[in-house]
Amino acid sequence: DGGITQSPKYLFRKEGQNVTLSCEQNLNHDAMYWYRQDPGQGLRLIYYSQIVNDFQKGDIAEGYSVSREKKESFPLTVTSAQKNPTAFYLCASNRATNEKLFFGSGTQLSVL
Amino acid sequence: QKEVEQDPGPLSVPEGAIVSLNCTYSNSAFQYFMWYRQYSRKGPELLMYTYSSGNKEDGRFTAQVDKSSKYISLFIRDSQPSDSATYLCAMSASQGGSEKLVFGKGTKLTVNP
Repeated sequence: DGGITQSPKYLFRKEGQNVTLSCEQNLNHDAMYWYRQDPGQGLRLIYYSQIVNDFQKGDIAEGYSVSREKKESFPLTVTSAQKNPTAFYLCASNRATNEKLFFGSGTQLSVL
Repeated sequence: QKEVEQDPGPLSVPEGAIVSLNCTYSNSAFQYFMWYRQYSRKGPELLMYTYSSGNKEDGRFTAQVDKSSKYISLFIRDSQPSDSATYLCAMSASQGGSEKLVFGKGTKLTVNP
């Protein structure tokens, strides 16, 4: 089945630790995105990538980093500089940036 | 004023009721309007996609856009317990970029059997 796989489903971060959230898609989509969802707030764009080896900051990129070395993969690192990392993180992709957006099932990140 | 306003609810209705979900927006440049359904701890899935003003129907779902009032609605007829979810509106000013999508906060709907 084609889709977007996010792992892990739940992740815990200790103070000062960097953690990486995985996002893999087998839809052959060029564009991939990372969103953050907080209770009572809309989705906010962290980073997006329209093509391999290229990515752009979204609205709330500070404290996060990404890479896009393969078309299928777009991992997100939450660095120790992100002081409020607890949130539900969603990865999404589409064939081109003006087409239907598909979402993964999300990763819940919490701070220990 | 936020670009997109959506009443978070929660909204609770009996099975079979007609549900009306709404969003207002301030940016008159928005032309593309979407409704997503998100089950608890899952990713959103696209329900309806509408361009400019007018109505669009898909089964039990109808999306309406009133650009003059900067108001969009999603109607669910004959609501079912399986419709219980959070509904997010989203909109953009141009088709050229999902990175420009602005999401509402979502309305949590519960349909009681």
